[in-house]
Amino acid sequence: SSELTQDPAVSVALGQTVRITCRGDTLRNCYASWYQQKPGQAPVLVIYAKNNRPSGIPDRFSASSSGSTASLTITGAQAGDEADYYCNCRGASGNNWVFGGGTKVTVL
Amino acid sequence: QVQLVQSGAEVKTPGASMKISCRASGYRFTSHWMHWVRQAPGQGLEWMGLINPTGTVTLYAQKFQGRVTLTRDTSTSTDYMELTTLRSDDTAVYYCARDNSIAEADGSGWWFDPWGQGTLVTVS
Repeated sequence: SSELTQDPAVSVALGQTVRITCRGDTLRNCYASWYQQKPGQAPVLVIYAKNNRPSGIPDRFSASSSGSTASLTITGAQAGDEADYYCNCRGASGNNWVFGGGTKVTVL
Repeated sequence: QVQLVQSGAEVKTPGASMKISCRASGYRFTSHWMHWVRQAPGQGLEWMGLINPTGTVTLYAQKFQGRVTLTRDTSTSTDYMELTTLRSDDTAVYYCARDNSIAEADGSGWWFDPWGQGTLVTVS
């Protein structure tokens, strides 16, 4: 089983807010990073180092963390936000990195 | 701009080996580690390994130990990932991704940015 666990899928109405969670003990000591992946494209970084957005990522993307759970929130979801989202962190052993299984976000 | 450009798609037969390249530009190549990640069709992202800036240290996911080798040519700013004894379940898109990191009093973080465009390897 993966060290990081995500819900497989979530849906959100256009313009509403959705939260994607990532759970794992390694998150207690590691800031999760989050990636958006659309079909046929490479993943794109959306959040890094607690709650930082790379240039070009809208401020409707934000992140938080508590204990062994990290969350990515999309506030005011747009049709273009429909994608798979993955969390990532260094593994508990310190010698590997791990991805969550991914969450498919559908915007209704 | 910071960019990673990977080599083109490959078709391999079972038992063969493959070697993918990832050429970096737009930043100091010897200041960053590089990760390799793969994604089988319809599946999630899977971390494979990491190479240090000078190419002298590698870390591999246990799953790939003994089959994967990461190397680096600093003269051409190019990383390579070789996977041997290919099987049909190695069919995947393979990505390189630059490592970035931060260490603070209350924790540390790593992130992958940018990513290469991906290289599809089909084993059949």
